[in-house]
Amino acid sequence: EPEVTQTPSHQVTQMGQEVILRCVPISNHLYFYWYRQILGQKVEFLVSFYNNEISEKSEIFDDQFSVERPDGSNFTLKIRSTKLEDSAMYFCASSGSEDSTQYFGPGTRLTVL
Amino acid sequence: KNEVEQSPQNLTAQEGEFITINCSYSVGISALHWLQQHPGGGIVSLFMLSSGKKKHGRLIATINIQEKHSSLHITASHPRDSAVYICAADKGINTDKLIFGTGTRLQVFP
Repeated sequence: EPEVTQTPSHQVTQMGQEVILRCVPISNHLYFYWYRQILGQKVEFLVSFYNNEISEKSEIFDDQFSVERPDGSNFTLKIRSTKLEDSAMYFCASSGSEDSTQYFGPGTRLTVL
Repeated sequence: KNEVEQSPQNLTAQEGEFITINCSYSVGISALHWLQQHPGGGIVSLFMLSSGKKKHGRLIATINIQEKHSSLHITASHPRDSAVYICAADKGINTDKLIFGTGTRLQVFP
Protein backbone atom coordinates (compact mmCIF):
# COMPACT_ATOMS: atom_id res chain seq x y z
CA GLU A 1 0.00 0.00 0.00
CA PRO A 2 1.41 3.42 -0.91
CA GLU A 3 2.48 5.55 2.01
CA VAL A 4 3.88 8.95 2.85
CA THR A 5 7.49 8.85 4.02
CA GLN A 6 9.47 11.44 5.96
CA THR A 7 13.16 11.92 6.66
CA PRO A 8 14.86 12.19 8.99
CA SER A 9 12.88 10.54 11.75
CA HIS A 10 14.68 12.66 14.34
CA GLN A 11 16.64 15.87 13.82
CA VAL A 12 18.63 17.63 16.53
CA THR A 13 19.86 21.13 15.79
CA GLN A 14 21.26 24.17 17.49
CA MET A 15 19.14 27.28 17.89
CA GLY A 16 19.59 29.60 14.93
CA GLN A 17 20.45 26.84 12.48
CA GLU A 18 18.47 26.08 9.36
CA VAL A 19 16.73 22.74 9.02
CA ILE A 20 15.03 21.06 6.10
CA LEU A 21 12.47 18.39 6.75
CA ARG A 22 11.73 16.13 3.84
CA CYS A 23 8.60 14.31 2.78
CA VAL A 24 7.77 12.02 -0.10
CA PRO A 25 3.99 12.13 -0.61
CA ILE A 26 1.98 9.38 -2.25
CA SER A 27 2.89 9.52 -5.91
CA ASN A 28 -0.40 10.48 -7.55
CA HIS A 29 -1.46 12.93 -4.85
CA LEU A 30 -1.78 16.61 -5.62
CA TYR A 31 -2.40 18.25 -2.24
CA PHE A 32 0.30 18.45 0.39
CA TYR A 33 0.27 19.58 3.99
CA TRP A 34 2.55 20.19 6.93
CA TYR A 35 1.38 19.94 10.53
CA ARG A 36 3.22 20.16 13.80
CA GLN A 37 2.61 18.79 17.26
CA ILE A 38 4.43 20.25 20.22
CA LEU A 39 4.95 17.62 22.90
CA GLY A 40 1.80 17.16 24.94
CA GLN A 41 -0.26 19.47 22.74
CA LYS A 42 -2.66 18.99 19.88
CA VAL A 43 -1.75 18.78 16.23
CA GLU A 44 -1.73 22.15 14.46
CA PHE A 45 -2.02 22.99 10.79
CA LEU A 46 0.96 24.82 9.30
CA VAL A 47 0.50 25.02 5.56
CA SER A 48 -1.14 23.47 2.52
CA PHE A 49 0.36 23.35 -0.96
CA TYR A 50 -1.20 22.72 -4.33
CA ASN A 51 -0.15 23.34 -7.91
CA ASN A 52 3.32 24.47 -6.82
CA GLU A 53 2.13 27.18 -4.51
CA ILE A 54 0.93 27.68 -0.97
CA SER A 55 -2.85 27.53 -0.87
CA GLU A 56 -3.25 28.29 2.82
CA LYS A 57 -1.03 28.91 5.83
CA SER A 58 -1.62 29.36 9.52
CA GLU A 59 -0.42 32.19 11.75
CA ILE A 60 2.36 29.86 12.94
CA PHE A 61 3.81 29.74 9.43
CA ASP A 62 5.76 32.98 9.52
CA ASP A 63 8.69 34.20 7.41
CA GLN A 64 11.00 31.68 9.05
CA PHE A 65 9.14 28.85 7.35
CA SER A 66 9.05 27.94 3.69
CA VAL A 67 7.89 24.97 1.65
CA GLU A 68 9.04 23.68 -1.66
CA ARG A 69 8.42 20.88 -4.07
CA PRO A 70 11.87 20.81 -5.67
CA ASP A 71 11.14 17.86 -7.93
CA GLY A 72 8.26 15.56 -8.77
CA SER A 73 8.49 13.55 -5.59
CA ASN A 74 9.79 15.53 -2.62
CA PHE A 75 7.97 18.11 -0.53
CA THR A 76 10.13 19.99 1.95
CA LEU A 77 9.63 22.25 4.95
CA LYS A 78 12.48 24.63 5.72
CA ILE A 79 12.90 26.51 8.95
CA ARG A 80 15.46 29.26 8.36
CA SER A 81 16.63 30.06 11.87
CA THR A 82 15.30 27.61 14.40
CA LYS A 83 14.07 28.65 17.81
CA LEU A 84 13.66 26.56 20.93
CA GLU A 85 9.89 26.70 20.51
CA ASP A 86 10.17 25.04 17.09
CA SER A 87 10.90 21.76 18.88
CA ALA A 88 7.99 19.53 17.90
CA MET A 89 6.91 16.59 15.80
CA TYR A 90 6.35 17.65 12.21
CA PHE A 91 3.95 15.66 10.08
CA CYS A 92 3.59 15.75 6.34
CA ALA A 93 0.33 14.64 4.71
CA SER A 94 -0.96 14.29 1.18
CA SER A 95 -4.31 13.76 -0.46
CA GLY A 96 -5.54 13.01 -3.93
CA SER A 97 -8.10 15.78 -3.95
CA GLU A 98 -9.11 18.72 -1.83
CA ASP A 99 -11.87 16.87 -0.02
CA SER A 100 -10.43 13.40 0.29
CA THR A 101 -8.65 11.61 3.10
CA GLN A 102 -5.27 12.95 4.05
CA TYR A 103 -2.56 10.35 4.47
CA PHE A 104 0.01 11.19 7.10
CA GLY A 105 3.69 10.41 7.22
CA PRO A 106 5.36 8.99 10.34
CA GLY A 107 6.64 12.39 11.41
CA THR A 108 10.01 14.01 12.05
CA ARG A 109 10.85 14.84 15.64
CA LEU A 110 12.75 18.14 15.67
CA THR A 111 14.70 19.02 18.77
CA VAL A 112 16.21 22.51 18.97
CA LEU A 113 18.90 22.96 21.62
CA LYS B 1 -13.07 27.66 23.90
CA ASN B 2 -11.67 25.00 21.59
CA GLU B 3 -13.54 24.59 18.33
CA VAL B 4 -13.18 20.81 18.62
CA GLU B 5 -13.62 19.12 21.98
CA GLN B 6 -13.10 15.47 22.78
CA SER B 7 -14.13 13.36 25.72
CA PRO B 8 -12.91 11.63 27.66
CA GLN B 9 -9.28 12.79 27.69
CA ASN B 10 -8.17 9.43 29.04
CA LEU B 11 -9.86 6.07 28.89
CA THR B 12 -8.88 2.69 30.22
CA ALA B 13 -10.65 -0.53 29.35
CA GLN B 14 -10.38 -4.25 29.72
CA GLU B 15 -9.86 -6.30 26.62
CA GLY B 16 -13.19 -7.09 24.97
CA GLU B 17 -14.99 -3.98 26.19
CA PHE B 18 -16.99 -1.69 23.91
CA ILE B 19 -15.35 1.74 23.70
CA THR B 20 -16.92 5.08 22.83
CA ILE B 21 -15.00 8.29 22.24
CA ASN B 22 -16.88 11.51 21.69
CA CYS B 23 -16.15 14.60 19.64
CA SER B 24 -18.11 17.86 19.63
CA TYR B 25 -17.38 20.78 17.37
CA SER B 26 -18.62 24.34 17.29
CA VAL B 27 -17.80 25.21 13.69
CA GLY B 28 -19.49 24.44 10.40
CA ILE B 29 -17.78 21.52 8.74
CA SER B 30 -17.65 19.73 5.44
CA ALA B 31 -16.20 16.59 7.00
CA LEU B 32 -15.00 15.17 10.29
CA HIS B 33 -11.88 13.03 10.49
CA TRP B 34 -10.96 10.39 13.01
CA LEU B 35 -7.25 9.67 13.35
CA GLN B 36 -5.21 7.24 15.40
CA GLN B 37 -1.84 8.27 16.81
CA HIS B 38 0.40 5.39 17.80
CA PRO B 39 2.64 5.50 20.88
CA GLY B 40 5.60 6.17 18.57
CA GLY B 41 3.86 9.27 17.23
CA GLY B 42 2.74 8.20 13.76
CA ILE B 43 -0.75 9.21 12.64
CA VAL B 44 -3.14 7.01 10.67
CA SER B 45 -6.40 8.21 9.16
CA LEU B 46 -9.28 6.02 10.28
CA PHE B 47 -12.36 7.71 8.88
CA MET B 48 -13.51 10.78 7.05
CA LEU B 49 -17.24 11.30 7.26
CA SER B 50 -19.72 14.03 6.49
CA SER B 51 -22.93 12.22 7.42
CA GLY B 52 -24.29 9.02 8.88
CA LYS B 53 -22.04 6.18 9.82
CA LYS B 54 -18.96 4.35 8.58
CA LYS B 55 -17.60 0.99 9.63
CA HIS B 56 -14.19 -0.58 9.17
CA GLY B 57 -13.54 -3.83 10.95
CA ARG B 58 -14.17 -3.30 14.65
CA LEU B 59 -14.29 0.47 14.29
CA ILE B 60 -17.48 2.44 13.74
CA ALA B 61 -17.74 6.21 13.34
CA THR B 62 -20.97 8.15 13.46
CA ILE B 63 -21.79 11.79 13.00
CA ASN B 64 -24.84 13.91 13.79
CA ILE B 65 -24.54 17.11 11.81
CA GLN B 66 -27.46 18.84 13.54
CA GLU B 67 -25.99 18.21 16.98
CA LYS B 68 -22.39 18.83 15.82
CA HIS B 69 -21.28 15.61 17.41
CA SER B 70 -19.40 12.53 16.31
CA SER B 71 -18.53 9.30 18.06
CA LEU B 72 -15.91 6.65 17.46
CA HIS B 73 -16.77 3.19 18.71
CA ILE B 74 -14.45 0.22 19.08
CA THR B 75 -16.09 -3.16 19.49
CA ALA B 76 -14.31 -6.06 21.21
CA SER B 77 -11.37 -3.84 22.17
CA HIS B 78 -7.87 -5.28 22.17
CA PRO B 79 -4.58 -4.12 23.73
CA ARG B 80 -3.32 -3.25 20.23
CA ASP B 81 -6.08 -0.60 20.06
CA SER B 82 -4.17 1.35 22.72
CA ALA B 83 -3.38 4.71 21.13
CA VAL B 84 -4.48 8.33 21.08
CA TYR B 85 -7.62 8.88 19.01
CA ILE B 86 -8.00 12.34 17.52
CA CYS B 87 -10.93 13.96 15.79
CA ALA B 88 -10.33 16.80 13.37
CA ALA B 89 -12.82 19.12 11.71
CA ASP B 90 -12.54 20.05 8.08
CA LYS B 91 -14.17 23.46 7.89
CA GLY B 92 -15.05 23.41 4.25
CA ILE B 93 -14.22 24.22 0.71
CA ASN B 94 -12.69 27.63 1.39
CA THR B 95 -10.04 26.28 3.72
CA ASP B 96 -7.62 23.38 3.79
CA LYS B 97 -7.12 23.62 7.52
CA LEU B 98 -8.02 20.75 9.78
CA ILE B 99 -8.89 21.80 13.33
CA PHE B 100 -7.75 19.09 15.71
CA GLY B 101 -9.11 17.99 19.04
CA THR B 102 -6.75 17.33 21.92
CA GLY B 103 -7.12 13.57 21.56
CA THR B 104 -8.35 10.74 23.75
CA ARG B 105 -5.69 8.45 25.18
CA LEU B 106 -7.01 4.89 25.22
CA GLN B 107 -5.35 2.06 27.09
CA VAL B 108 -6.76 -1.43 26.76
CA PHE B 109 -5.51 -3.97 29.28
CA PRO B 110 -5.49 -7.71 28.72
